[in-house]
Amino acid sequence: GESVGLHLPTLSVQEGDNSIINCAYSNSASDYFIWYKQESGKGPQFIIDIRSNMDKRQGQRVTVLLNKTVKHLSLQIAATQPGDSAVYFCAVSGGSNYKLTFGKGTLLTVNP
Amino acid sequence: ETGVTQSPTHLIKTRGQQVTLRCSSQSGHNTVSWYQQALGQGPQFIFQYYREEENGRGNFPPRFSGLQFPNYSSELNVNALELDDSALYLCASSLVGAGEKLFFGSGTQLSVL
Repeated sequence: GESVGLHLPTLSVQEGDNSIINCAYSNSASDYFIWYKQESGKGPQFIIDIRSNMDKRQGQRVTVLLNKTVKHLSLQIAATQPGDSAVYFCAVSGGSNYKLTFGKGTLLTVNP
Repeated sequence: ETGVTQSPTHLIKTRGQQVTLRCSSQSGHNTVSWYQQALGQGPQFIFQYYREEENGRGNFPPRFSGLQFPNYSSELNVNALELDDSALYLCASSLVGAGEKLFFGSGTQLSVL
């Protein structure tokens, strides 16, 4: 089955810096990748997604990079703000039943 | 806000009891999934419902069961509660054909004593 891991459980950055959160997955058949942000007491909130036919996708202040060769996914947040402080999860899917396999999450702390 | 609502927000039960959690999907979404999130972990897939039938199941025992209603609302039932069932239970809705992009509710925090 699929497993999803993260390189760092915690990340601390200064306000205004760029943040990079990494994720690794195991199944080369995975074809859909998604990042969620979870604030305390709330459910995961969609940030950005990417399919395996792409290697980069940009949103507002966020960029997702996909390297299928090494099965690695990253989320870049530009000009990180205190409101970005949360736990970030990557999740992957490779089947037809929309099951997402989540990593354990990275706690991002933004220092003013 | 995603438009996915869950009730109750918090619940305390004792071991051996049964519990029913409820979810109202986002308008227009016809698929609902349930996830269990233990403290400090990522959500784990329990099952998914589409057209009122189970459409996929994760590694959870049969005492976890669900229902989806014609209005796309859903229930998660857990029988014979165990201490390890203490977790945040998340409901997510999606639209078939719109990919695996799930929209989550805020969850029900279940504590089993």
